[in-house]
Amino acid sequence: DQQVKQNSPSLSVQEGRISILNCDYTNSMFDYFLWYKKYPAEGPTFLISISSIKDKNEDGRFTVFLNKSAKHLSLHIVPSQPGDSAVYFCAGLFGNEKLTFGTGTRLTIIP
Amino acid sequence: NAGVMQNPRHLVRRRGQEARLRCSPMKGHSHVYWYRQLPEEGLKFMVYLQKENIIDESGMPKERFSAEFPKEGPSILRIQQVVRGDSAAYFCASSYRGGDEQYFGPGTRLTVT
Repeated sequence: DQQVKQNSPSLSVQEGRISILNCDYTNSMFDYFLWYKKYPAEGPTFLISISSIKDKNEDGRFTVFLNKSAKHLSLHIVPSQPGDSAVYFCAGLFGNEKLTFGTGTRLTIIP
Repeated sequence: NAGVMQNPRHLVRRRGQEARLRCSPMKGHSHVYWYRQLPEEGLKFMVYLQKENIIDESGMPKERFSAEFPKEGPSILRIQQVVRGDSAAYFCASSYRGGDEQYFGPGTRLTVT
């Protein structure tokens, strides 16, 4: 039962352009949605989050959009930089406890 | 200002042996979470502990796996009689309170031969 889905396993974007990573979910009870970035051989690092009562949150080059009716969220990175190359996980948080992660999208920024 | 510490970083065990994975949360954090990442998959929740208490173990396999977070010392994830399917990266995260941002450790990569 995959409650959080990231249907694109990989994405390549030119440096300087916009990267858009997508995530769909099925559990309407999630209170927050979070994006984590992960480099090889390291643990996930928190990037940005959004409350389920909001539709947009922005932090520097990163913006997360939430469409509750479509059960869809997206992470926009603009402009994309080489250091953004990593695996990105979206996650839902319910009941102030466990995170439910998607399978991740590997983002490659092409110089 | 140490982050979440996990050791060992890499662990190799033969089938049937026991694996012990340790996690020291960030200073001041009393909530610990364990996640497992199988190859080509996302992280999956295993167990959520506070000091001396298991809060939610709904993601833990019913047999061979156990976790503890004693009053003193690190949290321990213990896997008895390991099998090849236990090979994965095991991540620990900690937070100050339930619902706060979870900070992840670097993970322990378990390989069962």
